[in-house]
Amino acid sequence: QVQLVESGGGVVQPGRSLRLSCAASGFIFSNYGTHWLRQAPGKGLEWVAVISYDGSSKFYADSVKGRFTISRDNSKSTMYLQMNSLRPDDTAVYYCAKDLMTVAEYYFDSWGQGTLVAVSS
Amino acid sequence: SYALTQPPSVSVSPGQTASITCSGDKLGDKYVCWYQQKPGQSPVLVIYQDDKRPSGIPERLSGSNSGNTATLTISGTQAMDEADYYCQAWHISSVIFGGGTKLTVL
Repeated sequence: QVQLVESGGGVVQPGRSLRLSCAASGFIFSNYGTHWLRQAPGKGLEWVAVISYDGSSKFYADSVKGRFTISRDNSKSTMYLQMNSLRPDDTAVYYCAKDLMTVAEYYFDSWGQGTLVAVSS
Repeated sequence: SYALTQPPSVSVSPGQTASITCSGDKLGDKYVCWYQQKPGQSPVLVIYQDDKRPSGIPERLSGSNSGNTATLTISGTQAMDEADYYCQAWHISSVIFGGGTKLTVL
């Protein structure tokens, strides 16, 4: 079955960096676009970034543009999120998710369990 | 920037029909999907492309989208349907979520 497992979260000081990973299994990773999303404590869902199936297209939410970088390694079935210049309002559970279809329509049919990123001094 | 608006909360009695709305400018021109999220769990896709159900989602959940409003309808609501529900629309370069609606089954 499809499985997405995030890792790399933790407590970090403002201005520092962190890299999240999302290991995928149970499907042909290189056929699907994948996303990072986040949810601040007690708040709603927020989309962070998307990367196309082959890594050629990447888009970001305005709130993270210029600070976060999404990437993927299809040989390892793994997606990454490099987060730089972290701010307290980046504190959230970060989820990775895959597109439902192989075409670029953004419906997330599988989600990881999430990894908590806490930005605090 | 584009925004989706949901009511913060909806209450329904067991067995009755619950309707959760999601409004946005010309939302009917976009595809909408819906997620269910229970406390401490990851979201689950329940409706996509306005009215399609992924495998495993019961038929009593249905969706529609027209004009400026998309609606998630839960017929014969059960206690297990109590959760937060989020609508979502997308453009090739971005994804927008509604603020979420807490469904309470009284």
